[in-house]
Amino acid sequence: NAGVTQTPKFRILKIGQSMTLQCTQDMNHNYMYWYRQDPGMGLKLIYYSVGAGITDKGEVPNGYNVSRSTTEDFPLRLELAAPSQTSVYFCASSRRVQGTYEQYFGPGTRLTVT
Amino acid sequence: QQQVKQSPQSLIVQKGGISIINCAYENTAFDYFPWYQQFPGKGPALLIAIRPDVSEKKEGRFTISFNKSAKQFSLHIMDSQPGDSATYFCAASMTTDSWGKLQFGAGTQVVVTP
Repeated sequence: NAGVTQTPKFRILKIGQSMTLQCTQDMNHNYMYWYRQDPGMGLKLIYYSVGAGITDKGEVPNGYNVSRSTTEDFPLRLELAAPSQTSVYFCASSRRVQGTYEQYFGPGTRLTVT
Repeated sequence: QQQVKQSPQSLIVQKGGISIINCAYENTAFDYFPWYQQFPGKGPALLIAIRPDVSEKKEGRFTISFNKSAKQFSLHIMDSQPGDSATYFCAASMTTDSWGKLQFGAGTQVVVTP
């Protein structure tokens, strides 16, 4: 199993540009999440999904959109990139095991907006 | 507002020493407390987790201590090794949360010197 894969690894965007961060998991997990990680701030939840067609906003959703058309894929869309979106983005997936959820993370996408 | 407060922000420990990281939470509904380990350039990975029905859990050199009345939990790394140098995140969630959302602390960067 490849686990959770993310593309691209790095990206530089100009202000106002758009892009999609790709996330795919091959563990047949229903639950998927997008986080951003900023220095000294931990991981902040952007969006999450419990299955195909079901998504909801996390703690910091502004400026982002998601879709979930399949169990495997959970892309994150940035419509009008802003410098405040410079961050490292992590996708994760999980399944419920005995009442808890172990989240498996991808390797991340480092995004710079200039 | 950080629902899980983590300290210290960073620490340096000599090889063979003990690393201690502390976390505190406010929401008494939290009942699952995992610790994640993140190496540079990688995504976080689950290290060890505890439920509040026990006060301590040990896995190898890693121990979680849990104090329900104080709403605090901590990670102890015994006999610290240079390979333990990483960023550690505590987290908390509610097993009744059907979405499995985690609240992360800000992270602690641990450096183990030879």
